[in-house]
Amino acid sequence: DAGVIQSPRHEVTEMGQEVTLRCKPISGHDYLFWYRQTMMRGLELLIYFNNNVPIDDSGMPEDRFSAKMPNASFSTLKIQPSEPRDSAVYFCASSPPLMRNTEAFFGQGTRLTVV
Amino acid sequence: QKEVEQNSGPLSVPEGAIASLNCTYSDRVSQSFFWYRQYSGKSPELIMSIYSNGDKEDGRFTAQLNKASQYVSLLIRDSQPSDSATYLCAVIYNFNKFYFGSGTKLNVKP
Repeated sequence: DAGVIQSPRHEVTEMGQEVTLRCKPISGHDYLFWYRQTMMRGLELLIYFNNNVPIDDSGMPEDRFSAKMPNASFSTLKIQPSEPRDSAVYFCASSPPLMRNTEAFFGQGTRLTVV
Repeated sequence: QKEVEQNSGPLSVPEGAIASLNCTYSDRVSQSFFWYRQYSGKSPELIMSIYSNGDKEDGRFTAQLNKASQYVSLLIRDSQPSDSATYLCAVIYNFNKFYFGSGTKLNVKP
């Protein structure tokens, strides 16, 4: 398996524009997580899915953020409208069922810059 | 209160010394604990996991868990410059939430 695949790797957009980040989890993984990483706040859990169903979106900063998982092999994180403070690295991670020895595997991340 | 807390550092140690990284967590029902390493510009990767109280050793790395005090630590013996990275502590709560600390930056000086 190629691992967790995120696209694009880099995104530069203007304030007010819609941004869509994409993630393909590892085949067979039941859990998918979206994280945001900044110097100030570290790695923040935004939302996670179990079997394509959103379980906890309490980390989503505001209504401008939305996430979907239409099937087991694809998820999107959308920001509309984008703002400069959304600039960060966004990671997607997937894992098998969360048991004691579960490991979360991360994608390479999408570096978002909103100007 | 954050679920997982770490000192952001940076922690600086000379080459060959022992580096000690600490993490505390807030939920007593936490079941699994992990240490991830993240090099600058890269994604986190798993170093070690621990579930039971006590020590777990893997090469130069030792993870320590104390559930009564709600802390987990990582010791790196014979630190190398290649160990310079940010170390993230992670906790699984209730088998359904995977939370990470903000990370501690480690600098190993030659």
